[in-house]
Amino acid sequence: NAGVTQTPKFRVLKTGQSMTLLCAQDMNHEYMYWYRQDPGMGLRLIHYSVGEGTTAKGEVPDGYNVSRLKKQNFLLGLESAAPSQTSVYFCASIHLRGPEAFFGQGTRLTVV
Amino acid sequence: DQQVKQNSPSLSVQEGRISILNCDYTNSMFDYFLWYKKYPAEGPTFLISISSIKDKNEDGRFTVFLNKSAKHLSLHIVPSQPGDSAVYFCAATLLYSGGGADGLTFGKGTHLIIQP
Repeated sequence: NAGVTQTPKFRVLKTGQSMTLLCAQDMNHEYMYWYRQDPGMGLRLIHYSVGEGTTAKGEVPDGYNVSRLKKQNFLLGLESAAPSQTSVYFCASIHLRGPEAFFGQGTRLTVV
Repeated sequence: DQQVKQNSPSLSVQEGRISILNCDYTNSMFDYFLWYKKYPAEGPTFLISISSIKDKNEDGRFTVFLNKSAKHLSLHIVPSQPGDSAVYFCAATLLYSGGGADGLTFGKGTHLIIQP
């Protein structure tokens, strides 16, 4: 049972480049989330989805876009990367009955 | 405005002793609280939780206490072991009011160091 899988694990981008982070879960969870973790800041919610085809903004959505075309996948996009987006990104999913969130292993992104 | 606060960035405890991690919250609507443990280069993993209708929940060496009037919860680890060294995040959600889909609100974390 893979749980929540994030791709890639590491990435270095130049300022202005774009990229997409992929999150896949095999637990048939309805809810999916993207968080970022920065030193001294804890985990902050970027965007989330309560079902296929739906997305919503979290606490820090600026500079990111998301899509949930399939129930098991949640994509996080950076259209024009900035150094301030250097962070560790975590995807999580929650079953409809909640509330325990299952996390992926994280993606370490560096924007230079 | 930070709704979930962990005011101790780090805590050092001797092996075998009790570790007490604290968490405060400001949103009185929160009705479910969770603790997550995180090792370096790994995602957070669920440790223990408590509903707002309870004031204590135990799971082996881990006990979470909730004081609703003070908007405070704490995680007790007894006895502390070297493998407990990690960052611990407190999280809260509005489970029973139907807001659980909005996700968990996390504190900034406390780095627990267990010394031999």
